Amino acid sequence: KQEVTQIPAALSVPEGENLVLNCSFTDSAIYNLQWFRQDPGKGLTSLLLIQSSQREQTSGRLNASLDKSSGRSTLYIAASQPGDSATYLCAVVDYKLSFGAGTTVTVRA
Amino acid sequence: EAGVAQSPRYKIIEKRQSVAFWCNPISGHATLYWYQQILGQGPKLLIQFQNNGVVDDSQLPKDRFSAERLKGVDSTLKIQPAKLEDSAVYLCASSLGAGGEYNEQFFGPGTRLTVL
Repeated sequence: KQEVTQIPAALSVPEGENLVLNCSFTDSAIYNLQWFRQDPGKGLTSLLLIQSSQREQTSGRLNASLDKSSGRSTLYIAASQPGDSATYLCAVVDYKLSFGAGTTVTVRA
Repeated sequence: EAGVAQSPRYKIIEKRQSVAFWCNPISGHATLYWYQQILGQGPKLLIQFQNNGVVDDSQLPKDRFSAERLKGVDSTLKIQPAKLEDSAVYLCASSLGAGGEYNEQFFGPGTRLTVL
């Protein structure tokens, strides 16, 4: 059974600092890995999807890396802003999505 | 393009009452998913439909939860009777296809259920 872990559970940083969010998984036989953002009381917004053949994916200030052999992914958010405050979830895809519990990020103005 | 629609957005009920949630997927998406997200946890898949057939309901508590997807479009998830531990956000998602190569899932805003 796939187990997905996200550390830390919560993170608070001053505006402008770079964010580093970690995700680890136990079974490396995955198709893809996906990062989501969840605002309070809202659904999930897909940020980045990394296919198993890729090592990283970038979108604007966001960059996600994937190391299947070690079962790890990292989401980097450059020059954080208060609007980046949210919970970030990673999900690994074998035949279904298995989610981590998320990292709640607070960016202080 | 319209996203995944869910209603209601919020629901408060007493334990042992019944409740139903509705989901309308993105037009043309054959696969529909219901997830349960308990506070502080990641979403857990309850049931997956491919068109109007069930693909995976292994984590659906079938003694109290039921779901249907008539005509392969919108879907209803029902809880009867509700327990305190059913308090959660219920998320609906849809994708073009399923199985084999991954099909990206798109999520609705969710229904927050509180059971008192």
